[in-house]
Order: sequence, then structure tokens, then C-alpha cells
Amino acid sequence: DAMVIQNPRYQVTQFGKPVTLSCSQTLNHNVMYWYQQKSSQAPKLLFHYYDKDFNNEADTPDNFQSRRPNTSFCFLDIRSPGLGDAAMYLCATSRDPGGPYEQYFGPGTRLTVT
Amino acid sequence: KQEVTQIPAALSVPEGENLVLNCSFTDSAIYNLQWFRQDPGKGLTSLLLIQSSQREQTSGRLNASLDKSSGRSTLYIAASQPGDSATYLCAVRGNTDKLIFGTGTRLQVFP
Repeated sequence: DAMVIQNPRYQVTQFGKPVTLSCSQTLNHNVMYWYQQKSSQAPKLLFHYYDKDFNNEADTPDNFQSRRPNTSFCFLDIRSPGLGDAAMYLCATSRDPGGPYEQYFGPGTRLTVT
Repeated sequence: KQEVTQIPAALSVPEGENLVLNCSFTDSAIYNLQWFRQDPGKGLTSLLLIQSSQREQTSGRLNASLDKSSGRSTLYIAASQPGDSATYLCAVRGNTDKLIFGTGTRLQVFP
């Protein structure tokens, strides 16, 4: 089945140690999104790619970066994780930006910072 | 700026009850609205997508309605079951690429 896959499902990293989260999709969608969701809060959009065009949200910290080497894969890099970056990170895809298209979410990666 | 509110924040009901979850949004200029389910510690599962031109969508025991002009949507769950226990999130998509989420309703259905 076509789907959005995130690896790993659980990631533990040390304070200040760079970490990379991975997302892949078999839907061949043009848009890939990264959301951060802290406990009992709504998901918050960090950034998204429309094809190779990167769109950063204004309040996304510089500590967060993203790469999309091809249509199928997108990575979230946290350069120097702090305790406040512990959260669920959700990847989503959409056929096209704007318009009526649905977003499809992966299972998420839960990040713990020790 | 679009804001999405969900009421109630938490709900506990006995099995078999029909229930309604509410979602309101401040800007009626939306393309669509999605309802999601999230189990503890898990990702989001899309339940229903309503386009701006539609009034409702149904899937099994779930029915979602949309009144764009008043900025409201409801998710109706018929004959609730313990397996329905989860957090339900609504999200609207406007003329930008992003979804704006509510903070969710945490539902518990007890036997």
C-alpha cells in the first residue's frame, strides 16, 4: 500500500548531539511537510517542500534544517537538540500545495533528549 | 490569522452513546477541513476530509458536517465503542499550504 514511512519510530539523543529523522513516501506527492507536536498540543508546522522549493515557517528555530534529495525522501536535521525539542515529529505529504488536497501523515518519530 | 478551537477538550462517555465533537474556525475562507484521530504516542490517522463545497462526509459510524459560513464543523460518532477512545483533531486548510490544527478533543469511551 502507498504510504508515508518514518524512521526511526523512537529516537533518543543527547543534549547538543545532532540528530536526523527520516521520512519517505510512496505516494509520489509533490509536497512534504514536517510538523512538531509537543505533549497535549496541536501539531505545529516547521517547514515544507514543494518539489525542491523549501518553505520555512517564520517561527521555526534555526536549529532545525531539512533536506529533500528526491521526491520520495525528506529529512529533518536538528543541529543541537535542546531539552525543549523533545516532541513527536510528524511527516506528511500532499499531492499539491493549496487547493483541496488531503494531507497524509506518517506514524511519527518520538524524540527524547537526555 | 486563522484560529481553530475544539470543544470540549475532553469527553468521557459510556459505550453505546452517540456523541458530537465540535470544531470552530475564525476565517471561513478555507479549501477543506480534515478530521484526524490520534492514539496516545502515535501519528495522525485521517478520518474524513470535507471540501469547502461539501456539507458533510460519512465513513461508517462517523459523520462530519461543515458549515463554512458560520465557521463550524461537527464530528458525529454513532454507537461509540471503547476502541474509539483517542484524541480527535480537526484541521483547516486555507489559501496557504498548511493545515491549521485545533488542540483536539480527548475522548474516552468506557465499557
